[in-house]
Amino acid sequence: GQQVMQIPQYQHVQEGEDFTTYCNSSTTLSNIQWYKQRPGGHPVFLIQLVKSGEVKKQKRLTFQFGEAKKNSSLHITATQTTDVGTYFCGHNAGNMLTFGGGTRLMVKP
Amino acid sequence: GAVVSQHPSWVICKSGTSVKIECRSLDFQATTMFWYRQFPKQSLMLMATSNEGSKATYEQGVEKDKFLINHASLTLSTLTVTSAHPEDSSFYICSAKRPATDTQYFGPGTRLTVL
Repeated sequence: GQQVMQIPQYQHVQEGEDFTTYCNSSTTLSNIQWYKQRPGGHPVFLIQLVKSGEVKKQKRLTFQFGEAKKNSSLHITATQTTDVGTYFCGHNAGNMLTFGGGTRLMVKP
Repeated sequence: GAVVSQHPSWVICKSGTSVKIECRSLDFQATTMFWYRQFPKQSLMLMATSNEGSKATYEQGVEKDKFLINHASLTLSTLTVTSAHPEDSSFYICSAKRPATDTQYFGPGTRLTVL
């Protein structure tokens, strides 16, 4: 499947600070999906983006799909301790979902 | 939302034991289910795609005879880790794909510890 690279691997923030994770591919992606996995839990689907330049918001979370459809970002405004977890981007190609390495977010209260 | 269940949630076994993990789609019929493996602090690695009524499709490097997959019904897929060894200890997660969508719903995972 197509490789998606995710950075950073880890991020420590103070509660209230913003957080961004980036997902990059060397090839054009038909879609990008974002998942959140709480510590000890399983991945939970957050959103799918399919259009070039698409921006979607879920409360404090903003998801973007690049114009070239080769990169995507997830931005969290004013992080809270409940945002702790690992955020994965993924690309769904037919029946295969390929994940990036994930960004582990830790929030200090 | 959709619910996918897994059983057992945690299993500890002796080396050489075969362990069966069940994955059930509770809200919809899933013709396609997936099995992933996740090591601590790492991403999910797709092991195989389970298709109802046909043989599973395994990813490169995954031993078919070691990880037996059966998708006997539209709501149940099983993964059997045969003759488990300590290096098989991991977190195994299944997912079910809702038909006509690109959305996968993940089970809660099964933590396997092989002594």
